[in-house]
Amino acid sequence: QQQVKQSPQSLIVQKGGISIINCAYENTAFDYFPWYQQFPGKGPALLIAIRPDVSEKKEGRFTISFNKSAKQFSLHIMDSQPGDSATYFCAASRQTGANNLFFGTGTRLTVIP
Amino acid sequence: NAGVMQNPRHLVRRRGQEARLRCSPMKGHSHVYWYRQLPEEGLKFMVYLQKENIIDESGMPKERFSAEFPKEGPSILRIQQVVRGDSAAYFCASSPQTGADTEAFFGQGTRLTVV
Repeated sequence: QQQVKQSPQSLIVQKGGISIINCAYENTAFDYFPWYQQFPGKGPALLIAIRPDVSEKKEGRFTISFNKSAKQFSLHIMDSQPGDSATYFCAASRQTGANNLFFGTGTRLTVIP
Repeated sequence: NAGVMQNPRHLVRRRGQEARLRCSPMKGHSHVYWYRQLPEEGLKFMVYLQKENIIDESGMPKERFSAEFPKEGPSILRIQQVVRGDSAAYFCASSPQTGADTEAFFGQGTRLTVV
């Protein structure tokens, strides 16, 4: 059973455009929601994370929007660049940390020049 | 400060052999996590260890898989009598502690291929 559902599976965006990736979860006990970026042949790297007491968190061109009532959260990449081309995973955990993270299935983002 | 080091990067085993995957956490990190990534899927949690202790192994298959994190040396994920379905990328992550806003750093993974 997939605890965190992620969409779309793949995404193609023009350079300068906005990339939007969505995730939904069921377990209301989750209280830590990180996003990871993974380049081919590399391990996932933490990009940005949010806790449910805020509805939005922004770091540079990356923004997480969080909707607690809908149990949904999304990643927005503003002014997308070819260097952003990677696979993005959302995740959720009952403990704010790395223990037992539940990952989404990933979104392969391609930013075309 | 070197990151999380995993070796080997690639491992090929025949069915029935044993696979040993090693993970050296970042300096100062005493918490280690192992995840498995099947092709076209997200990472799935396997086990969480602190030095000499298994804290949470709820994601570990009941048979053939074991993990340890000795007082000295790297953490080891051991898979006995490997089968084709064990082919995957195995990632290790480490953190200095657990709890609020603790970031875990992932290694580059070991890609296991069972032939």
